[in-house]
Amino acid sequence: GENVEQHPSTLSVQEGDSAVIKCTYSDSASNYFPWYKQELGKRPQLIIDIRSNVGEKKDQRIAVTLNKTAKHFSLHITETQPEDSAVYFCAATIPIPTFGRGTSLIVHP
Amino acid sequence: GAGVSQTPSNKVTEKGKYVELRCDPISGHTALYWYRQSLGQGPEFLIYFQGTGAADDSGLPNDRFFAVRPEGSVSTLKIQRTERGDSAMYLCASSLSGYEQFFGPGTRLTVL
Repeated sequence: GENVEQHPSTLSVQEGDSAVIKCTYSDSASNYFPWYKQELGKRPQLIIDIRSNVGEKKDQRIAVTLNKTAKHFSLHITETQPEDSAVYFCAATIPIPTFGRGTSLIVHP
Repeated sequence: GAGVSQTPSNKVTEKGKYVELRCDPISGHTALYWYRQSLGQGPEFLIYFQGTGAADDSGLPNDRFFAVRPEGSVSTLKIQRTERGDSAMYLCASSLSGYEQFFGPGTRLTVL
């Protein structure tokens, strides 16, 4: 089955800095890569996604890049704000999603 | 226009008891997924419905776990002879396209 590795497990940044979270996957058949944000005690919420026929996608301060050859994809958050603090999960889908273990992002004011 | 809902929000039971967890998907979403999430982990896939049928139940850990979706809308996850290791957050998600998934708030199950 699919195996997704996510790094780092914790990321601490100053407000205004950029944050990058990286994921690798094992099955080249994976074709859809969503990113979810989960605040403490809340449900996961989709923040951005990318399909395998696209290399990059951007939505305001958030971008995702995909390298199919290397089987890795990354989440980039620019101009971080304290409200970006949460746990972020990546997933690789074929068609059932396999999730990474999550990255706890802490943005210090 | 409501999102995915799950009931109950919290369930405390004793070891050996039977529990049912309910999921109401977004109206019109044909795909429905159940996940289990333990503290500090990502959601772990349990079962996926397309309409009324279970398209993939490979994530169910053992035969104590069973799920139904008789009319292609509401789904119930059933756990028999609960064990302490079943304690977790149980999440449901629905999808129209099979790609973008919308999660419910979850049911926190505690087995004493």
